[in-house]
Amino acid sequence: DGGITQSPKYLFRKEGQNVTLSCEQNLNHDAMYWYRQDPGQGLRLIYYSQIVNDFQKGDIAEGYSVSREKKESFPLTVTSAQKNPTAFYLCASSPVANWASSYNSPLHFGNGTRLTVT
Amino acid sequence: QKEVEQDPGPLSVPEGAIVSLNCTYSNSAFQYFMWYRQYSRKGPELLMYTYSSGNKEDGRFTAQVDKSSKYISLFIRDSQPSDSATYLCAMKGNTNAGKSTFGDGTTLTVKP
Repeated sequence: DGGITQSPKYLFRKEGQNVTLSCEQNLNHDAMYWYRQDPGQGLRLIYYSQIVNDFQKGDIAEGYSVSREKKESFPLTVTSAQKNPTAFYLCASSPVANWASSYNSPLHFGNGTRLTVT
Repeated sequence: QKEVEQDPGPLSVPEGAIVSLNCTYSNSAFQYFMWYRQYSRKGPELLMYTYSSGNKEDGRFTAQVDKSSKYISLFIRDSQPSDSATYLCAMKGNTNAGKSTFGDGTTLTVKP
């Protein structure tokens, strides 16, 4: 079955520690994304990558870092610099990185990682 | 002011009711409009997507876009308890790297 796998489903960390969230896709999609979802709020874009070894900041990149060394993998590190890291993190991918013809490129989401930092 | 405003809900309806979910937006560059359904503790899944103004029907679901009013709607006919979820509208244009902008979501409960 093709899809996006996020692990772990639940993650608990102490304040001041960095933590890395895993995202793997076997859909052969070019573009990958990280979103953050807080209760009662929509999805806010953290980082996105259109191609291997390249990525761009989204709307709320401060305190986060990413890498894209392989097409199928896009891990997100939540650093100690992130002021309010407790949230539900969603990874997504889309088939094409050609934004001008993105009509047939809806986002495919993983089932998220719920991070709690105390 | 947010680019996309979604009716906040929550909504609670009896089984069989017609449900209307709505979003307004301010960015006239948006051309692609999507509705995602998100079950509790799961990732969103694409339900409907449309391009520009008009209607699109898929089974019990109808997506409606009115670009002149900057208003989109999702109608659910003969609602079922399995439709209980949070519904997110999203939209994007050809600029801004094609990134989607999401509404805050409306939580729907359909009671048997």
